[in-house]
Amino acid sequence: DAGVTQSPTHLIKTRGQQVTLRCSPKSGHDTVSWYQQALGQGPQFIFQYYEEEERQRGNFPDRFSGHQFPNYSSELNVNALLLGDSALYLCASSLEVGGSYNEQFFGPGTRLTVL
Amino acid sequence: TQLLEQSPQFLSIQEGENLTVYCNSSSVFSSLQWYRQEPGEGPVLLVTVVTGGEVKKLKRLTFQFGDARKDSSLHITAAQPGDTGLYLCAGGKDNFNKFYFGSGTKLNVKP
Repeated sequence: DAGVTQSPTHLIKTRGQQVTLRCSPKSGHDTVSWYQQALGQGPQFIFQYYEEEERQRGNFPDRFSGHQFPNYSSELNVNALLLGDSALYLCASSLEVGGSYNEQFFGPGTRLTVL
Repeated sequence: TQLLEQSPQFLSIQEGENLTVYCNSSSVFSSLQWYRQEPGEGPVLLVTVVTGGEVKKLKRLTFQFGDARKDSSLHITAAQPGDTGLYLCAGGKDNFNKFYFGSGTKLNVKP
């Protein structure tokens, strides 16, 4: 049973460029959340996708956008990259069962470096 | 602003010692999760607590959720080098899996 997978593993971009990160959820999961983890910090919630719609959003600018596909995989897009966007980007998947919490499983992350 | 404050930020101890990590907030959470993260990897869920006062044990790890659901602690007995890692607490505040993470406690257990 494959867990959450993310690609690429590492990425180097320059300021002003655009980047797309990809995530495949754990088998059977339908919800994908994206987090940004700066060095030495805990993950910060970016947004969550369920049924191909953005359902929740954290305190991130519109430069951060996403998409969820019918197979539940997801993409995170960041436009006009800034140096401060350098971080580990984590994807977490879960199965929506309507409870007060649903267990999240994290992928290994994509390390983005903006020069 | 971090909703969850973790302490201590760093902890370096000898194998066999006991330790406690704290996760505090002024907010009430519907659930509280603890994760361990190793370098280059995503966080791995250790436990979820949902009831105020709840205590859960996972081998040498004991987790407690505060009565008011605003704080939590993680106690490790007889720490081992394999316990080394970044310990993160995360509080859930609604039904849609939006979790607020603390900044983590970096634990180093020396053999």
